[in-house]
Amino acid sequence: DTAVSQTPKYLVTQMGNDKSIKCEQNLGHDTMYWYKQDSKKFLKIMFSYNNKELIINETVPNRFSPKSPDKAHLNLHINSLELGDSAVYFCASSPRGYSRGRDEQYFGPGTRLTVT
Amino acid sequence: AQSVSQHNHHVILSEAASLELGCNYSYGGTVNLFWYVQYPGQHLQLLLKYFSGDPLVKGIKGFEAEFIKSKFSFNLRKPSVQWSDTAEYFCAVEGGGGNKLTFGTGTQLKVEL
Repeated sequence: DTAVSQTPKYLVTQMGNDKSIKCEQNLGHDTMYWYKQDSKKFLKIMFSYNNKELIINETVPNRFSPKSPDKAHLNLHINSLELGDSAVYFCASSPRGYSRGRDEQYFGPGTRLTVT
Repeated sequence: AQSVSQHNHHVILSEAASLELGCNYSYGGTVNLFWYVQYPGQHLQLLLKYFSGDPLVKGIKGFEAEFIKSKFSFNLRKPSVQWSDTAEYFCAVEGGGGNKLTFGTGTQLKVEL
């Protein structure tokens, strides 16, 4: 049973297109995150949601819009894709509320996005 | 703002050699510290974590790390590496609550037979 799952695993698309990546966790966690890992393997947080509420919104272009229909799902929609968006996007979740800290984050398998 | 430095970007070791990967962070307050590992083609997994108490923490697969507050360091160690330890290792820091992890740039470890 996959704890944090993402679809699709691979996504190849052209510049200017709009695409979505979906994330689901079956751990009953309260908080979910999106990270971007660039070609140099550098991981940077993009967003986090706690019980469907946006908590962390880093300096990310407006073309990226997260949506959390419920606390088990956090989707990422990207408009007008650019070459620089090519990366691996990881979803993660953690058990408790964001304010408590000290939470281990559980990561999904990643979605490799390639923009041509 | 907090930041994390991992000084070794690429490390190549022979099996049975000892490993130490450096991690330094900058943050003035209380921190929670993590080491994650990413095996080739896989997602990140937690190796170990430090929240408080004994500064020497033990994790999975024989890894351990020592928190030295005065040096703002959290170095990862393993006495004897195996070929299966070949992976990317990430140090991460969470400070001030909020569960916002700041990752280092990672260290790619290659263990040769």
